[in-house]
Amino acid sequence: EAGVAQSPRYKIIEKRQSVAFWCNPISGHATLYWYQQILGQGPKLLIQFQNNGVVDDSQLPKDRFSAERLKGVDSTLKIQPAKLEDSAVYLCASSPIVGRVQTQYFGPGTRLLVL
Amino acid sequence: EDQVTQSPEALRLQEGESSSLNCSYTVSGLRGLFWYRQDPGKGPEFLFTLYSAGEEKEKERLKATLTKKESFLHITAPKPEDSATYLCAVQASNFNKFYFGSGTKLNVKP
Repeated sequence: EAGVAQSPRYKIIEKRQSVAFWCNPISGHATLYWYQQILGQGPKLLIQFQNNGVVDDSQLPKDRFSAERLKGVDSTLKIQPAKLEDSAVYLCASSPIVGRVQTQYFGPGTRLLVL
Repeated sequence: EDQVTQSPEALRLQEGESSSLNCSYTVSGLRGLFWYRQDPGKGPEFLFTLYSAGEEKEKERLKATLTKKESFLHITAPKPEDSATYLCAVQASNFNKFYFGSGTKLNVKP
């Protein structure tokens, strides 16, 4: 079974530029998550989708971050404009809906460096 | 406030020296507790899901246990290839929110 795919794997941009990340979840997984992981910290949830709808985006900085999940499959996360503090690994995860507990499976992440 | 705390932050063991990692949590209702392994430059790799107090799960040299306030990841006779950061996460029943700890960085020396 193919895992969660993410691209690009690495990105270096100047501050105030924009950047987009792409995620393809495991086939059949209805729930998709975007996390931000700063070096030395645990992942922080940015946004959670179930199919096409947003379940939780309470920690998404909406003035600069946006995310969409078209057709309930692939998702993109965008930052515009980027700040230095956005330098982090952006992880995408997906989970099947099996009862109420949602075990998440992660992709390899996109490493973003903002200069 | 819902939160997850892991200890110690870092742990150095000799090969074969067993130990335990701790994950304590305060959430408004626990749906599930998860353990992940994360190698440098990679995404977290799923290890275990625990659902209720008293539950235990094992995989090779790893054993995870759960009480009402904390979980332990026991590592028996570790090998250098067990070196990684181990992350704990909880799913709260309050809007199904997820919270991760900061991880324990394990280094097993030969």
